[in-house]
Amino acid sequence: AQSVTQPDIHITVSEGASLELRCNYSYGATPYLFWYVQSPGQGLQLLLKYFSGDTLVQGIKGFEAEFKRSQSSFNLRKPSVHWSDAAEYFCAVGALKGLGQNFVFGPGTRLSVLP
Amino acid sequence: SQTIHQWPATLVQPVGSPLSLECTVEGTSNPNLYWYRQAAGRGLQLLFYSVGIGQISSEVPQNLSASRPQDRQFILSSKKLLLSDSGFYLCAWIFGGNTEAFFGQGTRLTVV
Repeated sequence: AQSVTQPDIHITVSEGASLELRCNYSYGATPYLFWYVQSPGQGLQLLLKYFSGDTLVQGIKGFEAEFKRSQSSFNLRKPSVHWSDAAEYFCAVGALKGLGQNFVFGPGTRLSVLP
Repeated sequence: SQTIHQWPATLVQPVGSPLSLECTVEGTSNPNLYWYRQAAGRGLQLLFYSVGIGQISSEVPQNLSASRPQDRQFILSSKKLLLSDSGFYLCAWIFGGNTEAFFGQGTRLTVV
């Protein structure tokens, strides 16, 4: 079965510091991979996605992610974090499940930003 | 344009009361629709999905049910809410062979 793990439940960084959020997946085929951000009380906003091609993907708000097939990873990075980046981040893999298509989400990583 | 609407945004309900959350989609036909729940401190758990009118698949047996009365309408219900039903509920429309997804703004449900 498809699965997504995010090893870090909570990360705290200082404003201006670099950031890397980890994501590992288990999927039997070439995955479609996504990173979403959820601000408090809000729905999910797509940051970036990977389908094929260049393994380094650029997203919105200065985020990027790198797909590493050998490590089954899709880590999210940002060179300089802003206070407004404090939120919860979800990694997801697009999967087929029976007749329905589905996103399998990781448990999320909560990011806190210190001034 | 394609959009997804979900309401209400917040809801406080007493234990034992009924629940109805509605999700509608615009700008498409025959969408694949999903209900997810995010409990406090946990990730997103798939509750139900529907590939068409009257077609509902349940992922987790529980106190909730879903219905698809119209092509672009997906409803999450409960006859009697439990405290454990509290959480953040998200409706999603996933399409394009899992390459695209729109999410509603979510409903924060607190059962008291």
